[in-house]
Amino acid sequence: QQPVQSPQAVILREGEDAVINCSSSKALYSVHWYRQKHGEAPVFLMILLKGGEQKGHEKISASFNEKKQQSSLYLTASQLSYSGTYFCGTYGSGNTGKLIFGQGTTLQVKP
Amino acid sequence: SAVISQKPSRDICQRGTSLTIQCQVDSQVTMMFWYRQQPGQSLTLIATANQGSEATYESGFVIDKFPISRPNLTFSTLTVSNMSPEDSSIYLCSVVLSGSNYEQYFGPGTRLTVT
Repeated sequence: QQPVQSPQAVILREGEDAVINCSSSKALYSVHWYRQKHGEAPVFLMILLKGGEQKGHEKISASFNEKKQQSSLYLTASQLSYSGTYFCGTYGSGNTGKLIFGQGTTLQVKP
Repeated sequence: SAVISQKPSRDICQRGTSLTIQCQVDSQVTMMFWYRQQPGQSLTLIATANQGSEATYESGFVIDKFPISRPNLTFSTLTVSNMSPEDSSIYLCSVVLSGSNYEQYFGPGTRLTVT
């Protein structure tokens, strides 16, 4: 079951904040976040393994609410380099390593 | 992380032909996967490349169309057989490194165009 991301697209000015959500209809064992720039491979940002866990990467952090079966990615004080498409990935079942990706959220940061 | 290379980086092929894509990693990995990404779309898992045994395919993907080999821990190939224009896509390998928390890293991808 593919996780659902929202919003589909975000346009920001430099310095503004954004939140990207990822939700699943199935129990989540972990949530993986990636960023993909146009013409490039997805780049691993972070993995959240426990419910309620928050992790950070530069000014990007994420939370994982196991009970609500959702994760949120927080981008604070956005920089131009944050532009790209963000994907969350979850396991279809169990801890198999086989990631099922959401449809992606396109983030555009303008000067 | 790891250095993952794919060959070729891009190719233009005629329908009915086959293309083999190689994926090489510079570290030992526990898992290797092949994904497809159609233009403007998300990533779709094709199969898990199992070392020394047949790959495990996801729903909608079959071995006759996408044969996969993984002769050792650091190398895998994906063949796209009897190609049609619908196979035009980016094909990416990904790996889970030994000793990691299932963090998955992607190769640079192979951009395939079928005419």
